[in-house]
Amino acid sequence: DAGVIQSPRHEVTEMGQEVTLRCKPISGHDYLFWYRQTMMRGLELLIYFNNNVPIDDSGMPEDRFSAKMPNASFSTLKIQPSEPRDSAVYFCASSLSERQPQHFGDGTRLSIL
Amino acid sequence: GDSVTQMEGPVTLSEEAFLTINCTYTATGYPSLFWYVQYPGEGLQLLLKATKADDKGSNKGFEATYRKETTSFHLEKGSVQVSDSAVYFCALTGAGRRALTFGSGTRLQVQP
Repeated sequence: DAGVIQSPRHEVTEMGQEVTLRCKPISGHDYLFWYRQTMMRGLELLIYFNNNVPIDDSGMPEDRFSAKMPNASFSTLKIQPSEPRDSAVYFCASSLSERQPQHFGDGTRLSIL
Repeated sequence: GDSVTQMEGPVTLSEEAFLTINCTYTATGYPSLFWYVQYPGEGLQLLLKATKADDKGSNKGFEATYRKETTSFHLEKGSVQVSDSAVYFCALTGAGRRALTFGSGTRLQVQP
């Protein structure tokens, strides 16, 4: 079975540009999570969805960040405008239900110059 | 809120040595506990889990026991291999929150 698929794997762009990260969860999984990993703050939740509905977005840093899940097989995380402090590895994860383990994608390494 | 505390790394061991990585947590109710492993350049992989007190999770020779009385979930392996070199994360999902709360991670380096 295919795991969680994220794209792109690497993204380098200049500050001020719009960045869109993409995630395809495992088929049949009802929960989708976006996490960010940095040296300073470790792994932290940005937002998660249940059945395509955002449930907790308290980790979204500011209005420059937005996330959508238009259907059960696709989610995007958008940063507009991007800033150098947004440089991090962004992970998407999905789980079958609320008590089941989360499965992670390989992440998107984002560098904002 | 919920929190997870792991021992600082890096932990450097020789091959076939015994491994312990300490993990303690703070959470209300009865959280589920997890260990994830991250190899260089990759995402996190679930290593093992435990969902109630006194449960023991095990996988690939690694073990951890859910100790509610000490709020701990220490990771152990009897004989490490070079291929176990990675970063290990302790994590939990709380009673009211489905997202994972992670510890800071512990880097393990196993030397031949």
